[in-house]
Amino acid sequence: AQSVSQHNHHVILSEAASLELGCNYSYGGTVNLFWYVQYPGQHLQLLLKYFSGDPLVKGIKGFEAEFIKSKFSFNLRKPSVQWSDTAEYFCAVEDTDKLIFGTGTRLQVFP
Amino acid sequence: EAGVAQSPRYKIIEKRQSVAFWCNPISGHATLYWYQQILGQGPKLLIQFQNNGVVDDSQLPKDRFSAERLKGVDSTLKIQPAKLEDSAVYLCASSFWQGDAYEQYFGPGTRLTVT
Repeated sequence: AQSVSQHNHHVILSEAASLELGCNYSYGGTVNLFWYVQYPGQHLQLLLKYFSGDPLVKGIKGFEAEFIKSKFSFNLRKPSVQWSDTAEYFCAVEDTDKLIFGTGTRLQVFP
Repeated sequence: EAGVAQSPRYKIIEKRQSVAFWCNPISGHATLYWYQQILGQGPKLLIQFQNNGVVDDSQLPKDRFSAERLKGVDSTLKIQPAKLEDSAVYLCASSFWQGDAYEQYFGPGTRLTVT
């Protein structure tokens, strides 16, 4: 079965810094990949998704992610973070119609 | 459109007691999921329904957990008896087929504390 690794458990940045969160999944083939975000006190929301096509996908709030098949990776990026990006970020891969989540990365952005 | 609704939002019980959670998915979404999210971990699927049939319950501890989806709409998840390690957030999600994959929408979750 698929598994997902998120290497950064806790990231602390200042506003305007660039962000990259790592995500690797365990095996290849056709994969559907997702990044979800959970703001404090709110429910999980979809940030972006990759099903096929252009490996660079753009999501909401200026986030993007790049699917690199050869590296089994789907890293999340944002060129300039804001205080409002403080949240927990989860990478997920779809495996037979169900989502397998990573352990999450807690991002704290300080003004 | 209205999102996935869950109740209660918070529940505190003592070990060996029973508890039930309710979920109302987005209208028209045939697939419903229950996830368990333990503090510091990602959500883990407990059970998946397609309409009112179970698709996958391989991760559901069936000696104490049960779930049903009446008439293919609302769902309840029950724990009886609860253990300390059941303390977690229980998330409900629903999805629809987008043509090339399912996209899941999550409810706010129920935070369960077992003392």
